[in-house]
Amino acid sequence: GEDVEQSLFLSVREGDSSVINCTYTDSSSTYLYWYKQEPGAGLQLLTYIFSNMDMKQDQRLTVLLNKKDKHLSLRIADTQTGDSAIYFCAERIYSSASKIIFGSGTRLSIRP
Amino acid sequence: GAGVSQSPSNKVTEKGKDVELRCDPISGHTALYWYRQRLGQGLEFLIYFQGNSAPDKSGLPSDRFSAERTGESVSTLTIQRTQQEDSAVYLCASSLGGGGGASNEQFFGPGTRLTVL
Repeated sequence: GEDVEQSLFLSVREGDSSVINCTYTDSSSTYLYWYKQEPGAGLQLLTYIFSNMDMKQDQRLTVLLNKKDKHLSLRIADTQTGDSAIYFCAERIYSSASKIIFGSGTRLSIRP
Repeated sequence: GAGVSQSPSNKVTEKGKDVELRCDPISGHTALYWYRQRLGQGLEFLIYFQGNSAPDKSGLPSDRFSAERTGESVSTLTIQRTQQEDSAVYLCASSLGGGGGASNEQFFGPGTRLTVL
């Protein structure tokens, strides 16, 4: 089946690193994505990784993919108050050009 | 406009009424997606349009839901005989083409919040 799971909440102190985890079930995933949703706004693509990669770094963001365990993580270095949002993990499955399966989202809150 | 726009931003309706939600994609984007986001949940794929190909309707939850797209522009999502369970935010996204990768990044609109009383 197709399923993407994430923990619902994460709280970190400002300046620390945040690590948001995600597991997926479909082994035929081609692309895996991280989206950010701020209050009252649409989803914004943060970063993505192709399934034949195991790591991707983009400024403060590091994506790690463990394909064997079907585990994806997003690390945000030096977390700032502007990083407060809901982060969605998503996978594009090979069998469908159109369908992207989203997780339920992790709400990241920042403590001063 | 510069981004994907949706209207209305909020819609309150009575159970049993029909509603139409509109999406204006980014100009030149051939692919258009509709998703539903229930409170506290992830996005649920509804339907996908790509150019002149037949739409992928595999995510529509019932025959009360339908969507149309005029060429490669505006799309409307219609929900007939609305039920309380239809209450959700309906999100539209567009991309240059279908498939994965950065070149086909999906750009999302702000959504329409539908409340069925």
